[in-house]
Amino acid sequence: DAGVIQSPRHEVTEMGQEVTLRCKPISGHNSLFWYRQTMMRGLELLIYFNNNVPIDDSGMPEDRFSAKMPNASFSTLKIQPSEPRDSAVYFCASNRGGGSYEQYFGPGTRLTVT
Amino acid sequence: AQSVTQLGSHVSVSEGALVLLRCNYSSSVPPYLFWYVQYPNQGLQLLLKYTSAATLVKGINGFEAEFKKSETSFHLTKPSAHMSDAAEYFCAVSDRVGAQKLVFGQGTRLTINP
Repeated sequence: DAGVIQSPRHEVTEMGQEVTLRCKPISGHNSLFWYRQTMMRGLELLIYFNNNVPIDDSGMPEDRFSAKMPNASFSTLKIQPSEPRDSAVYFCASNRGGGSYEQYFGPGTRLTVT
Repeated sequence: AQSVTQLGSHVSVSEGALVLLRCNYSSSVPPYLFWYVQYPNQGLQLLLKYTSAATLVKGINGFEAEFKKSETSFHLTKPSAHMSDAAEYFCAVSDRVGAQKLVFGQGTRLTINP
């Protein structure tokens, strides 16, 4: 079975540009999570969806960040405009629900904003 | 809210020695507990999980962890370290019963000395 798929794997952009990160969860999973990982702050939960509905977005840093999940097999995390402090590795994870709590992580997108 | 404390951001052991990574959680209800491993430039991979069955849980790669309610601990051990065990390890706890969110510790970087 395919795991969680993220694209792109690496993104380098200039400050002020829009960045869109993409995620395809494991088929049949009904919860999806976006995390950000940096050396300074560690692993932070940004937002999570259950059945395509955002449940908790308290970790989204500011209005420059937005996330959508238009269907069960696709989600995006958008940063507009991007800033150098957004440089990090962004992970997507999914969970099948139904009393199961373990999350399965994608390989991550390494974002560098110059 | 739940919290997880991993004692020691860096642990160094010799190849063949015992590995002990410490994790303590705060919880007023029986939690679900997890250990994840992250190899360089990869996503987090589930090592093992505790879901209120046996208190001693065996995982992949020879790791195991013991749930001790009286100590609110879930320490990770491996009898004999291998060079390939060098990675970062994260302990996580389910936020509350019924919620899909996990709370992660800050991680422990394990170094194996030849």
